[in-house]
Amino acid sequence: GAVVSQHPSWVICKSGTSVKIECRSLDFQATTMFWYRQFPKQSLMLMATSNEGSKATYEQGVEKDKFLINHASLTLSTLTVTSAHPEDSSFYICSAIVGGGAKNIQYFGAGTRLSVL
Amino acid sequence: GENVEQHPSTLSVQEGDSAVIKCTYSDSASNYFPWYKQELGKGPQLIIDIRSNVGEKKDQRIAVTLNKTAKHFSLHITETQPEDSAVYFCAASINNQGGKLIFGQGTELSVKP
Repeated sequence: GAVVSQHPSWVICKSGTSVKIECRSLDFQATTMFWYRQFPKQSLMLMATSNEGSKATYEQGVEKDKFLINHASLTLSTLTVTSAHPEDSSFYICSAIVGGGAKNIQYFGAGTRLSVL
Repeated sequence: GENVEQHPSTLSVQEGDSAVIKCTYSDSASNYFPWYKQELGKGPQLIIDIRSNVGEKKDQRIAVTLNKTAKHFSLHITETQPEDSAVYFCAASINNQGGKLIFGQGTELSVKP
């Protein structure tokens, strides 16, 4: 299957600082990537859809100014958690679509565990 | 919008036995149904998927069945092994919604040696 690389895998930061998470498609171009958040023992919650060259589409209840998404190239999307607080601590996962059109197969990165002190 | 229900939430089987996880969806327009396996601390891994134009798909010990009339689909794992222990998620997608997946709640499968 296609490879999606996510970095870093784990980050600890102080409250009030910003953290950037990178999501790269290594062996394919991805016009569309997704960002999810996952709490322990829960399902994946879609935060936003990231489209190359355009603004991200955020799900209801997700703060756009809090979670900045940039999809500047066909292989890279970034999620920046601004002014992080302890309640932002979570497991963040990105995914990228392979195939496009009617195929739309989603492959996921390994996730980033964010701990805000 | 689409809603996906997944059962059971936990499943414990003996090594070598079969495991079945079931999902139902609400939107008849859904036409793509992937299954993901997630190990602790890792991202979900696609293990099998099925599209609405087929009723069954098999890949070695894993099979998925789809009943469009009843709007439910199931994952079947035969000859389970301890390494099959993980959380499994079903999902549904509607073709014209840009590939967005709606996930079930997950099933924690434990295979006891």
